[in-house]
Amino acid sequence: SYVLTQPPSMSVAPGETARITCGGDNIGSKTFHWYQQKAGQAPALVMFYGSDRPSGIPERFSGSNSGNTATLTISRVEAGDEADYYCQVWDSSSDHPVFGGGTKLTVL
Amino acid sequence: QVQLQESGPGLMKPSETLSLTCTVSGVSISSYYWGWIRQPPGKGLEWIGYIYDSGSTNYNPSLKSRLTISVDTSKNQFSLNLSSVTAADTAVYYCARVSTYSSSSPKWFDPWGQGTLVTVSS
Repeated sequence: SYVLTQPPSMSVAPGETARITCGGDNIGSKTFHWYQQKAGQAPALVMFYGSDRPSGIPERFSGSNSGNTATLTISRVEAGDEADYYCQVWDSSSDHPVFGGGTKLTVL
Repeated sequence: QVQLQESGPGLMKPSETLSLTCTVSGVSISSYYWGWIRQPPGKGLEWIGYIYDSGSTNYNPSLKSRLTISVDTSKNQFSLNLSSVTAADTAVYYCARVSTYSSSSPKWFDPWGQGTLVTVSS
């Protein structure tokens, strides 16, 4: 089955830029979605179809897919961005979703 | 505004059957896909399965032998039954709408319910 690999954790200072990566085979052909899960809360969609932001998600959040890596970029990081972030693709061969293992973003 | 709310037993014993219901408000359950995802304590997300309003389903192969997902359009609800539970099934269970542009397009989950913790313990 398809596997998505994320770094378990990363930290960034307020005001800096966080780049959360997600890797997988032939990733350039995949469409990525991203979820944010704050402590004690359900996951919430922050990016779909690679670079589309749902209503209410600030422009500081952006998405890209290049080479073997998809990236969720958070510019001008704020304390409220501290959360676990999960990438997800839809495996067309099996018609089911695959989640990355998640990245815990700590804002210093 | 679409909202989902899970309901279930909370605490179960090994070998019992887990039954969870997701009540959908703000939209008709018809013409959409609906899914279940779980998260063991301190771990990542695991997809369980999904259903279309016609009743067609797709299950995680690792759970397929124990799993049934069904939909009740009259109540705007969909449900999960997982048989022969063990401690490994202890998790927060989320329901979510499966969003897509078309049946053949990539899909994502939005929105999600708040989740319900199910603990399996003797």
